[in-house]
Amino acid sequence: DVKVTQSSRYLVKRTGEKVFLECVQDMDHENMFWYRQDPGLGLRLIYFSYDVKMKEKGDIPEGYSVSREKKERFSLILESASTNQTSMYLCASSSIGSVYEQYFGPGTRLTVT
Amino acid sequence: AQSVTQLDSQVPVFEEAPVELRCNYSSSVSVYLFWYVQYPNQGLQLLLKYLSGSTLVESINGFEAEFNKSQTSFHLRKPSVHISDTAEYFCAVTVNGNQFYFGTGTSLTVIP
Repeated sequence: DVKVTQSSRYLVKRTGEKVFLECVQDMDHENMFWYRQDPGLGLRLIYFSYDVKMKEKGDIPEGYSVSREKKERFSLILESASTNQTSMYLCASSSIGSVYEQYFGPGTRLTVT
Repeated sequence: AQSVTQLDSQVPVFEEAPVELRCNYSSSVSVYLFWYVQYPNQGLQLLLKYLSGSTLVESINGFEAEFNKSQTSFHLRKPSVHISDTAEYFCAVTVNGNQFYFGTGTSLTVIP
């Protein structure tokens, strides 16, 4: 089975802190994604990556950056956390060969105080 | 650009009753369509997908969805729901597998 793991299920940070969210997949997928999920807004794409060191902005990249140094790992970085970044963050991966099916991690619920 | 509308944010239904969760999309090009389910405190799981071919697609747990190009819809149906179907359901579209667009979700609550 495909497994997508996220480094933390729950995280509490203070305003202004630098925050790293890590995502690892074990199926050699080319594509990886970061979403945030908010009530009434569904999932919104922050960034995605289709290869190592490659990244593309999604719909809401402001305040975030990403890093993909290895194929299996995709990190989301909040340079200076703010309270409006309190949310559920979901990582996903997909393979070109699986015809776009995305596999999701369990999510990280981030609270910024 | 593509967009997805899920018309119902909450759907309560009695156990063993039928249910339909509505999804409409807008796109000027051909799309691939998906339904994902999210159980409490879990990530999203693929329920079913339409890529091409038969417009009626089925999942292993009794759900089905029909792609209607003229109506730009991909409604999800189940003839008889169970308590275990209580979850959040998301409709999604993509053109190229890079950019996915999700609806705002429908919370299905099955009442005993």
